[in-house]
Amino acid sequence: DAGVIQSPRHEVTEMGQEVTLRCKPISGHDYLFWYRQTMMRGLELLIYFNNNVPIDDSGMPEDRFSAKMPNASFSTLKIQPSEPRDSAVYFCASSPPGLAGNNEQFFGPGTRLTVL
Amino acid sequence: EDQVTQSPEALRLQEGESSSLNCSYTVSGLRGLFWYRQDPGKGPEFLFTLYSAGEEKEKERLKATLTKKESFLHITAPKPEDSATYLCAVRINSGYSTLTFGKGTMLLVSP
Repeated sequence: DAGVIQSPRHEVTEMGQEVTLRCKPISGHDYLFWYRQTMMRGLELLIYFNNNVPIDDSGMPEDRFSAKMPNASFSTLKIQPSEPRDSAVYFCASSPPGLAGNNEQFFGPGTRLTVL
Repeated sequence: EDQVTQSPEALRLQEGESSSLNCSYTVSGLRGLFWYRQDPGKGPEFLFTLYSAGEEKEKERLKATLTKKESFLHITAPKPEDSATYLCAVRINSGYSTLTFGKGTMLLVSP
């Protein structure tokens, strides 16, 4: 298996532009997580899905952020409009089925977002 | 509020110099403590899960232990390829499937 796939790997945009990050989870995994990592705050959970349904989006910083999972093999995280403080590395992770989601999470390589 | 604190923030070792990384937590209802390794420019990679105090797990030069308040990641005779950031995370009763991560310890092993 290729692991979790994220695109793009790097994104540089200007403030006010829309940014869309993409993720393909590992086949057969039914949990999908979006994280953001910064030096100041470390790795923070933004939102997670189970069987394509958003379960907890309490980590989404504000209404400018939205995430969708239209099917089991694809998810997007959108920021509109983007701001410089959104600059970070965004990770997608997936996890296989298990008792109350106790399984480990497999992370993608991340998307490094820079908002100028 | 649930807290996960890792120390030290950074650690520099000589090759072969054993040491330990600490992860202390203040959570209610721990359902698992996870250790991950993160190389520069990559996503975290799973190492261990510990579920109960007294539990230990080993992998090559790494051994993770767990008490009721903290976990240690012991590195025995490290090699330069062990250089990475080590993250710990906790899963709690009230957090269905979610992990709360510490900020990590950046380890550099010099030859």
